[in-house]
Amino acid sequence: GDSVTQMEGPVTLSEEAFLTINCTYTATGYPSLFWYVQYPGEGLQLLLKATKADDKGSNKGFEATYRKETTSFHLEKGSVQVSDSAVYFCALKVSGANSKLTFGKGITLSVRP
Amino acid sequence: KAGVTQTPRYLIKTRGQQVTLSCSPISGHRSVSWYQQTPGQGLQFLFEYFSETQRNKGNFPGRFSGRQFSNSRSEMNVSTLELGDSALYLCASSLAPLEAYNEQFFGPGTRLTVL
Repeated sequence: GDSVTQMEGPVTLSEEAFLTINCTYTATGYPSLFWYVQYPGEGLQLLLKATKADDKGSNKGFEATYRKETTSFHLEKGSVQVSDSAVYFCALKVSGANSKLTFGKGITLSVRP
Repeated sequence: KAGVTQTPRYLIKTRGQQVTLSCSPISGHRSVSWYQQTPGQGLQFLFEYFSETQRNKGNFPGRFSGRQFSNSRSEMNVSTLELGDSALYLCASSLAPLEAYNEQFFGPGTRLTVL
């Protein structure tokens, strides 16, 4: 079945540090890929997405590139802020009658001033 | 435009009881999906409703059920509650069914605690 694997957390960084969160996937079809963010006490918000190989999703300084050859969708940000502290989820969706979002386990990011 | 709303935000129940959670999607959205979030299992898909019909279902026992009304509002019901049902239940809405290219918008969730 479809699955998403995220790197183990939590991750703690200093403000302005470079961020990379690894995400790899297995899928039976050709998936769309997503990064969601969850702030404390809130639901999930879509951060960025990519729907085909070599697409780059970007938003709020975050970027991720759909790499079909390595089945990866790593999230990066050049300079993190304290306000980026949250839980980040990688997810995939394969189109079809049984389409659903499949999530990774999530990783908690803490950014200290 | 108002976002996805879920009621109640917090619930405490005891084992054996049943519970009903409610979700109001964004105006105009006809697809509603439900997810269970726990520390151990993460985010897991429960089911999706579109135009009052269940289109897809995850791997949960029959104690978990749902429905959707003509105004697209959705409810999910859990009967005979178990301790392991304690979780954050998230609802998400979208314009079109999950199989189409579309974005899901999530509500804040209902935190269910089973004692």
